[in-house]
Amino acid sequence: DAGVTQSPTHLIKTRGQQVTLRCSPKSGHDTVSWYQQALGQGPQFIFQYYEEEERQRGNFPDRFSGHQFPNYSSELNVNALLLGDSALYLCASSLEGAAYEQYFGPGTRLTVT
Amino acid sequence: AQKVTQAQTEISVVEKEDVTLDCVYETRDTTYYLFWYKQPPSGELVFLIRRNSFDEQNEISGRYSWNFQKSTSSFNFTITASQVVDSAVYFCALSEASNFGNEKLTFGTGTRLTIIP
Repeated sequence: DAGVTQSPTHLIKTRGQQVTLRCSPKSGHDTVSWYQQALGQGPQFIFQYYEEEERQRGNFPDRFSGHQFPNYSSELNVNALLLGDSALYLCASSLEGAAYEQYFGPGTRLTVT
Repeated sequence: AQKVTQAQTEISVVEKEDVTLDCVYETRDTTYYLFWYKQPPSGELVFLIRRNSFDEQNEISGRYSWNFQKSTSSFNFTITASQVVDSAVYFCALSEASNFGNEKLTFGTGTRLTIIP
């Protein structure tokens, strides 16, 4: 049973560029949440997708957008990258109605230079 | 607004010692969930425990135990007879209850635990 997978593992981008990160949820899960973890900090909630729609959103600017596909996989897009966007981006999947069980992927380490 | 505070930034103990990681939370909800996650150097968050606000019973799982006290808004985590493999960053997190069953998690800043052989 495959867990949550994310790609790529590492990514280096230049300030002002755009980036797309990908997440495949755990088998059977239909909800995907994205978190940003800056160095030395706890993860911060970006948004959550369910049934291909954004259902919840944290305090992040519109430069952060996402998408969920019919197979429940998800993408996180960040436009006009800033140095401050450098972080570990974590994807978590869960099953609608399940008792608060979120499974996290290994993350994508984004470095903006 | 929800908030989780982990005042201990870093802790180092010698192997086989017991260690307690502190977590204090703030929420205006009467129904909520508390979690502990472990983050090894690989980066993946590993789920350790979930507790709902109506269950204040302490829990023990092997060398791990958790003490939940609503009166002090604390949810502390104790590792007994620590081992080198316990070295990691540990996060406490809070989630409000909802019909979705998968509300967003609010994390603390984490405690880096180092077990010295």
